Amino acid sequence: GNSVTQMEGPVTLSEEAFLTINCTYTATGYPSLFWYVQYPGEGLQLLLKATKADDKGSNKGFEATYRKETTSFHLEKGSVQVSDSAVYFCALSITGGGNKLTFGTGTQLKVEL
Amino acid sequence: DGGITQSPKYLFRKEGQNVTLSCEQNLNHDAMYWYRQDPGQGLRLIYYSQIVNDFQKGDIAEGYSVSREKKESFPLTVTSAQKNPTAFYLCASSIRLALNTGELFFGEGSRLTVL
Repeated sequence: GNSVTQMEGPVTLSEEAFLTINCTYTATGYPSLFWYVQYPGEGLQLLLKATKADDKGSNKGFEATYRKETTSFHLEKGSVQVSDSAVYFCALSITGGGNKLTFGTGTQLKVEL
Repeated sequence: DGGITQSPKYLFRKEGQNVTLSCEQNLNHDAMYWYRQDPGQGLRLIYYSQIVNDFQKGDIAEGYSVSREKKESFPLTVTSAQKNPTAFYLCASSIRLALNTGELFFGEGSRLTVL
């Protein structure tokens, strides 16, 4: 089956620190990969996506590269801000499977001054 | 503003009672979804609907029921058969299920606590 594994949180960083949240996947088909973000008290929002190997998704200073050889899609940001504090979810969908997403467990990020 | 509205935001119920969670969207999206979010387990798909009067079971449909009588509305009923109903429930929509953009639009969720 399909599954997504994320690093456990919470991850606590100081403002302006470098962020990496690891995500690896297993998929029966050829997946598209996504990062969603959930700010406190809100629903999830699509942060970025990549639909084929070696694609890099980017948005709001975050980026992630689709690595087929390591089945990974790690989220990175060079300098985090307090406003980035949220829960981040890695997800995949299979080509031809529509928008039925398989989500990881989520990683909580806390950024402190 | 276009979006997805879930209600109520918080709900308390006694064991053995059925509960219906509301989800309304004004995005003119064809597809709608219900997910359950539990700590340490991420989001799990309960039911989804591609079009009015049609819906399919997701990964954890047991103890839940849905209807899709209108394009805008996709209510979820948590029945007494659901063994562990206390959770955070998220409704989402997308333009069309077959369009594999991966972009789901989520509501703010409903937190159900069964006492």
